[in-house]
Amino acid sequence: DTGVSQNPRHKITKRGQNVTFRCDPISEHNRLYWYRQTLGQGPEFLTYFQNEAQLEKSRLLSDRFSAERPKGSFSTLEIQRTEQGDSAMYLCASSLEGGDSQPQHFGDGTRLSIL
Amino acid sequence: KQEVTQIPAALSVPEGENLVLNCSFTDSAIYNLQWFRQDPGKGLTSLLLIQSSQREQTSGRLNASLDKSSGRSTLYIAASQPGDSATYLCAGTQTGANNLFFGTGTRLTVIP
Repeated sequence: DTGVSQNPRHKITKRGQNVTFRCDPISEHNRLYWYRQTLGQGPEFLTYFQNEAQLEKSRLLSDRFSAERPKGSFSTLEIQRTEQGDSAMYLCASSLEGGDSQPQHFGDGTRLSIL
Repeated sequence: KQEVTQIPAALSVPEGENLVLNCSFTDSAIYNLQWFRQDPGKGLTSLLLIQSSQREQTSGRLNASLDKSSGRSTLYIAASQPGDSATYLCAGTQTGANNLFFGTGTRLTVIP
């Protein structure tokens, strides 16, 4: 079990640039989640995939954000025209399907800093 | 919207003490609940999961309980160690949803 892997670990970019993050879930997990965590706060839900289907999106996911999970394996989260307020830790989690008995397992996140 | 409160926000204890962390939800219709720890600059490590039909879970020195009628959960840590120093987050799901609602965490420092 290699755990949830996220790349890059850190991303520094100028305001207005586009950024893309990648998440590789635990290999047999068919559910994948993206969360955003700002300093001193708990993570907030962004979006959720079951296999390749994006089933839920939070109102936090503005039209500048897009997430994909082609082939139901890894996922990417893209932010277009980045703004100062996008600075945060972006966390990915995965789980097995199985009602309430399957915990979500998190990666170490991608820390985004907007200059 | 579900709001999750964790009390205290920060806690400092001498090594060896037993301690209790608290978590409460504004909407008590919680389906399941997870407790996590987060080390600085890192992701979340799952500690315990209380399933919808359960009231508590134990793992080693950790015990978590959930009272659905009040929407409250506690995490009990026995015989605390310096390695327990971290931020502890509780998070729950609601029936029909898969995403976790998180509290803001309790930052624990165990002093050797």
